[in-house]
Amino acid sequence: GAVVSQHPSWVICKSGTSVKIECRSLDFQATTMFWYRQFPKQSLMLMATSNEGSKATYEQGVEKDKFLINHASLTLSTLTVTSAHPEDSSFYICSARGDSFVDEQFFGPGTRLTVL
Amino acid sequence: AQKVTQAQTEISVVEKEDVTLDCVYETRDTTYYLFWYKQPPSGELVFLIRRNSFDEQNEISGRYSWNFQKSTSSFNFTITASQVVDSAVYFCALSEDTDKLIFGTGTRLQVFP
Repeated sequence: GAVVSQHPSWVICKSGTSVKIECRSLDFQATTMFWYRQFPKQSLMLMATSNEGSKATYEQGVEKDKFLINHASLTLSTLTVTSAHPEDSSFYICSARGDSFVDEQFFGPGTRLTVL
Repeated sequence: AQKVTQAQTEISVVEKEDVTLDCVYETRDTTYYLFWYKQPPSGELVFLIRRNSFDEQNEISGRYSWNFQKSTSSFNFTITASQVVDSAVYFCALSEDTDKLIFGTGTRLQVFP
């Protein structure tokens, strides 16, 4: 149990376009979802925390208007990178936490974004 | 302030050697959780262990063992008789309020045959 999926697993886009990444909890209801970013050979940095039905809480330094997060249901959160630029190229990882697992986050497999 | 330090950037060992990955953390809270994750080349994070601050018992799971010492704020991870499949980046992480996971910078382990 406690499986989290992400789609797509990788995406290549042109500079200036927007990209949407989906994060789904497959077998549990995720009351809270987290979005992380990982640059090559670096650590994971939390970008934002989203609770179902509420606005996301962004970490300091993360542009809200650039990284749009929607958590419209208990099983789906989306991250949209708007007007992507090459410096947005990164590995984006989501995680989810449900009421049954309040002490643990379950991670998705990640999405590798390359902006040309 | 919360912080996780993994001083070892990269470790190389030969198969069957034992290897210890160090993790030192900083927190002002008395209640917190510590984690270890494995990230193989595929990128997917693999959960290894969670330990709460009130449980200082060492844990062993197969070839893996963890040593939690509050006195030194350390949560070290040992792999016994390492195998090539253990090659990955290993992250130590800290959570104070279950909302945020603060990751260390990771230790890249390479196990050579």
